[in-house]
Amino acid sequence: SQTIHQWPATLVQPVGSPLSLECTVEGTSNPNLYWYRQAAGRGLQLLFYSVGIGQISSEVPQNLSASRPQDRQFILSSKKLLLSDSGFYLCAWTTGGNYGYTFGSGTRLTVV
Amino acid sequence: GESVGLHLPTLSVQEGDNSIINCAYSNSASDYFIWYKQESGKGPQFIIDIRSNMDKRQGQRVTVLLNKTVKHLSLQIAATQPGDSAVYFCPSSGSARQLTFGSGTQLTVLP
Repeated sequence: SQTIHQWPATLVQPVGSPLSLECTVEGTSNPNLYWYRQAAGRGLQLLFYSVGIGQISSEVPQNLSASRPQDRQFILSSKKLLLSDSGFYLCAWTTGGNYGYTFGSGTRLTVV
Repeated sequence: GESVGLHLPTLSVQEGDNSIINCAYSNSASDYFIWYKQESGKGPQFIIDIRSNMDKRQGQRVTVLLNKTVKHLSLQIAATQPGDSAVYFCPSSGSARQLTFGSGTQLTVLP
């Protein structure tokens, strides 16, 4: 069966520090992968999506970046975190032709 | 889809009553619609979907109705339970299967 792993669950980082969040999917090949961010009491904001290895599309210009070094691995990074980067980060996947996302359990990031 | 970036509209219902959550969409070319449920501190979960060639689809205690004429989607939850308290989303879809999630609707089930 397919599963999605996202870690860490919570993270507290100082302003200006780097960030690396990892997401991996098991049990499927060539998934579409997505990173979303959710501020408290708000909807989900699409940050990046990838339809294949090395293919990254950015939805929102900001100090975050994403990479897909392997088929089932999606990484969200920042060189220097801002206070406004705080939020709930969610990774999701789906297969081509299917809109039914499966989300990871999320990472609660607090920048202090 | 829903308005993006606004604070959540809310809906409160008594336990045991039926709930109806509404959603409007703007893209008349949309051919697939999904409802997600997000409990506090968790990622959204798929509830039910419907294709544009259907008007109604039923699941376990949930029914989705699609009115393409007025571009309106609704989620009906029968005999609402405390575990149904969550935020409900009806995202709009893009060309690369990316979903745009609006602010959602916060459903609160009252005892």
